[in-house]
Amino acid sequence: AQTVTQSQPEMSVQEAETVTLSCTYDTSESDYYLFWYKQPPSRQMILVIRQEAYKQQNATENRFSVNFQKAAKSFSLKISDSQLGDAAMYFCAYYGGSQGNLIFGKGTKLSVKP
Amino acid sequence: EPEVTQTPSHQVTQMGQEVILRCVPISNHLYFYWYRQILGQKVEFLVSFYNNEISEKSEIFDDQFSVERPDGSNFTLKIRSTKLEDSAMYFCASRYQTGSGETQYFGPGTRLLVL
Repeated sequence: AQTVTQSQPEMSVQEAETVTLSCTYDTSESDYYLFWYKQPPSRQMILVIRQEAYKQQNATENRFSVNFQKAAKSFSLKISDSQLGDAAMYFCAYYGGSQGNLIFGKGTKLSVKP
Repeated sequence: EPEVTQTPSHQVTQMGQEVILRCVPISNHLYFYWYRQILGQKVEFLVSFYNNEISEKSEIFDDQFSVERPDGSNFTLKIRSTKLEDSAMYFCASRYQTGSGETQYFGPGTRLLVL
């Protein structure tokens, strides 16, 4: 069965600095998708970034980028120029193979210090 | 920009009561999902729905749960006899179709509290 592991329960970053959140996953599939979702205190789930496994190029969305290492089954999120509004829970999620649902990690709580 | 909506935003109910959580997915989406998140825990899959039938369900989705798309726009989750442990945030999500990036878009959630 596929699993998603986020080994950092909490992270902290200074405003304007860069932070990297880690995510590893386990799958025997070759074709899949990976996502980072942000959950602010309102608890809404907001899509941050998406990566297709067949693409070697790392996805980028403005200040957010990923480091996708398929062989290592690693999918980390880098937030550059951190802002106070980036403070939230960040969930890594996997989608692929025969199952149609997202599999989430336990999340990383990111704090941003002014 | 189209978005998934959910009502109510909060629901408080007594144990043993029935609740219906409502969702309006994005209009051209074909796949619909319910997830739940117990406070402080990760998001867990409940059920997926496609072509007017359940396509997949988790172990959590037992006989107390049911889903329906009664009118082509709403997508509902019914819990027949709520238990204390059903207290959680319930998220609806929808997706367009296979090959479109498989991105699921989430609604704002319904916070259910069972007393």
